[in-house]
Amino acid sequence: DSGVTQTPKHLITATGQRVTLRCSPRSGDLSVYWYQQSLDQGLQFLIQYYNGEERAKGNILERFSAQQFPDLHSELNLSSLELGDSALYFCASSVASSPGMNTEAFFGQGTRLTVV
Amino acid sequence: AQTVTQSQPEMSVQEAETVTLSCTYDTSENNYYLFWYKQPPSRQMILVIRQEAYKQQNATENRFSVNFQKAAKSFSLKISDSQLGDTAMYFCAFMSAGTASKLTFGTGTRLQVTL
Repeated sequence: DSGVTQTPKHLITATGQRVTLRCSPRSGDLSVYWYQQSLDQGLQFLIQYYNGEERAKGNILERFSAQQFPDLHSELNLSSLELGDSALYFCASSVASSPGMNTEAFFGQGTRLTVV
Repeated sequence: AQTVTQSQPEMSVQEAETVTLSCTYDTSENNYYLFWYKQPPSRQMILVIRQEAYKQQNATENRFSVNFQKAAKSFSLKISDSQLGDTAMYFCAFMSAGTASKLTFGTGTRLQVTL
C-alpha cells in the first residue's frame, strides 16, 4: 500500500457526461500529480499541484480541470467526456517540501474510466 | 524540457537469468533524481529503485541494481535472478531536484520472464 488513495477504482459513464476523480495523498506530501495512461501506452502527465497551487501543466485538455484543497486532497474533473478519454488515471504524491528535498512519487492504484 | 527514452519496447528473459533494461535521458540540469517503476498486470505503479544524480555509487535494491552514467545520461536497470513475478512493464522516470518538480516517464519496456 503506497498510502495514496484514489476513488473510485472504476467508473463507467456515457459520452458527454462529467465525472470527478478524487485523490488523497500520503500524509505529509504536499505535491500531487495526475497522469493519464491509455491502453498499452505510457503515462502522460496532466497537471501538478503543490500545496494548493497549480505548479505545472502537461497535455491536459481544456475539458479537464483539477484542484487541490486546503487538506491537500485533489480532484480531477473531466467533462464532455469522449470515448477517447477512456483510460487509467493515476494520482501520485511526493513530499517536495523544499529544494533538494524532493523525493520519489508514490502512486495510487488508479481510477479506471470507461466512457461508453 | 527533460526527455526520457527507452529504446527497448519488449524484452524476454528466462527465469533465474539476468536482464538489463536501457534508459537514456536528456537534461541541462545537474541535480536530479532517476527512478525505475514497475507496472505489473494489476496496473499498480510500484517504485523499484531510485538514484540521486549527485551520488556516484550505483543504487541497489536486492536483485535490482542500476548502472548510472551521468556524463552519458544513461540509467540502465539490471535484474538478477529473474523471477516470474518480475513480468511487468518497466518505466524509467526523471525528476528535477527543484521543489515540486514533475515526474517525466519514458515509454516503457515490457519484460516477460519465461520458464
